[in-house]
Amino acid sequence: GDSVTQMEGPVTLSEEAFLTINCTYTATGYPSLFWYVQYPGEGLQLLLKATKADDKGSNKGFEATYRKETTSFHLEKGSVQVSDSAVYFCALASGGSYIPTFGRGTSLIVHP
Amino acid sequence: DADVTQTPRNRITKTGKRIMLECSQTKGHDRMYWYRQDPGLGLRLIYYSFDVKDINKGEISDGYSVSRQAQAKFSLSLESAIPNQTALYFCATSAGAVNEKLFFGSGTQLSVL
Repeated sequence: GDSVTQMEGPVTLSEEAFLTINCTYTATGYPSLFWYVQYPGEGLQLLLKATKADDKGSNKGFEATYRKETTSFHLEKGSVQVSDSAVYFCALASGGSYIPTFGRGTSLIVHP
Repeated sequence: DADVTQTPRNRITKTGKRIMLECSQTKGHDRMYWYRQDPGLGLRLIYYSFDVKDINKGEISDGYSVSRQAQAKFSLSLESAIPNQTALYFCATSAGAVNEKLFFGSGTQLSVL
């Protein structure tokens, strides 16, 4: 079945550092890929998405590129802020039902 | 007002008690989902519903039941709560297409003592 593997956290960075959170997937067909973010005390919200190979999703300075050849969708940001501290979830949706499958989440802590 | 509202936000109960978590939405979406979040395990799907007459088990449905009372309402019940059901529970909705995102409620933190 479909699955998503994310790097384990927490990831701890200083403000303005470069961020990469790795995500790889296994799926039949051609899934859509998503990154969701969960700020403390809140539900998840969509950060960005990509629907086909080589698409780049971007939002709030975050980017991720759909790499079919490596089955990856790594999240990057050039300069993180304290306000980016949150848990990040990679997810995919494929097949006839399109029910999203989530990774385990990666906690990001950004220090001033 | 929030698009997806969960009640209660927090609940502490005892082993063996029956608990109902409620979810309502104003998005007009047909699809609704219940997930639980545990540290280190991410989100796991409990039940989902594609419309009022459609209910489906997710990967961890044992010990849970659901009711879709209307398009806008989807409740989750624990018939006899046990401590390993202590978790953060999320309701979500979506329009259903493959590219469509989920809209999440703020969650219910349930503790079973």
